[in-house]
Amino acid sequence: GQQLNQSPQSMFIQEGEDVSMNCTSSSIFNTWLWYKQDPGEGPVLLIALYKAGELTSNGRLTAQFGITRKDSFLNISASIPSDVGIYFCAGENYGGATNKLIFGTGTLLAVQP
Amino acid sequence: DAGVTQSPTHLIKTRGQHVTLRCSPISGHKSVSWYQQVLGQGPQFIFQYYEKEERGRGNFPDRFSARQFPNYSSELNVNALLLGDSALYLCASSGITGSTEAFFGQGTRLTVV
Repeated sequence: GQQLNQSPQSMFIQEGEDVSMNCTSSSIFNTWLWYKQDPGEGPVLLIALYKAGELTSNGRLTAQFGITRKDSFLNISASIPSDVGIYFCAGENYGGATNKLIFGTGTLLAVQP
Repeated sequence: DAGVTQSPTHLIKTRGQHVTLRCSPISGHKSVSWYQQVLGQGPQFIFQYYEKEERGRGNFPDRFSARQFPNYSSELNVNALLLGDSALYLCASSGITGSTEAFFGQGTRLTVV
């Protein structure tokens, strides 16, 4: 099935470092979402973006909706051990009354105390 | 408030068997979507239901079916199970069909042997 391209695939960082990951698509989206998934759990919504160029923050997390509507990035500042997990981007084009999320391939984040 | 609840959390089935997975959305949410997440990949869209009607279907064979009940809970059925159906099955609910902020349950881990 279709998946968006996320990079990097994995990151191993020290506690306190900033993290940046991005997501690209060959097609445009009206909405970008960022989720975090812990092992054995469902994805948890972190940030939702609705307009091209939009920059939104949620605590230490900041995400931007790319101007071309084909990309998005997520930054995490001052990482802490509980940031460990897999981060997924998801794009969505609401149309025909269907909400279908297209997910990225995921970025595995490991934080060393 | 209770989030999205799914049952069972784990189950093991034999090839050729049938399975039914259940989902209760967040109270007040009318839209339920189902996703399949194979190990190491992002979730893939299977179905969306809104007000008991199918609003979208992903690229899955007819062995996969679903329905939504008057209380907005939903079932996902898979017939003639294959080894490749082993995955985490996620249910997501959203408030209205136009809302793109989907909230996921913890998933059902299906293992086909």
